[in-house]
Amino acid sequence: KAGVTQTPRYLIKTRGQQVTLSCSPISGHRSVSWYQQTPGQGLQFLFEYFSETQRNKGNFPGRFSGRQFSNSRSEMNVSTLELGDSALYLCASSLGSTTGADTQYFGPGTRLTVL
Amino acid sequence: GQQVMQIPQYQHVQEGEDFTTYCNSSTTLSNIQWYKQRPGGHPVFLIQLVKSGEVKKQKRLTFQFGEAKKNSSLHITATQTTDVGTYFCASGTYKYIFGTGTRLKVLA
Repeated sequence: KAGVTQTPRYLIKTRGQQVTLSCSPISGHRSVSWYQQTPGQGLQFLFEYFSETQRNKGNFPGRFSGRQFSNSRSEMNVSTLELGDSALYLCASSLGSTTGADTQYFGPGTRLTVL
Repeated sequence: GQQVMQIPQYQHVQEGEDFTTYCNSSTTLSNIQWYKQRPGGHPVFLIQLVKSGEVKKQKRLTFQFGEAKKNSSLHITATQTTDVGTYFCASGTYKYIFGTGTRLKVLA
């Protein structure tokens, strides 16, 4: 099976712009989670989507949003970019079990730099 | 909210030495997962523990979940240069909280 893919891999934006990142999960996986990774804050949970519905949300401002399509592909959007949004954005896919304790498979990430 | 602390933050060992990282929580954890992230890479799932006192082994790696389900450890016996990376613990149901990670450097 192909792994989790994320596009683009690298992105440079300026403050105030918006950005959309894409994630294609492993075939058959219905849950997609998004994380922000920075040297200072580590890996922080943004949100999780399952069957096109946001099931869980982390503590990020409303500028961070996402969605999931019927084929389980997911996008996240960050509006009005700030310098502090520079980070590695990781998406992880999982089967989406009813127990909630899934193995997560991470994609390679999108490295976002905000100038 | 739930927080998972991980120690140490950094560890340098000579190749062949053992290494242990610890994960601690003030609240009971439903499960614990361990991930490894190589430099420049992404987290890769290693194992999941769900039962109190559970111990699992993967070759030179030994994972333990505390009896009270508030702590966990990952022990690597006789480290190799291929063990270099950051080891994260994580816990949660649908929404995962990651520990701060332990960055391991192995000196040949």
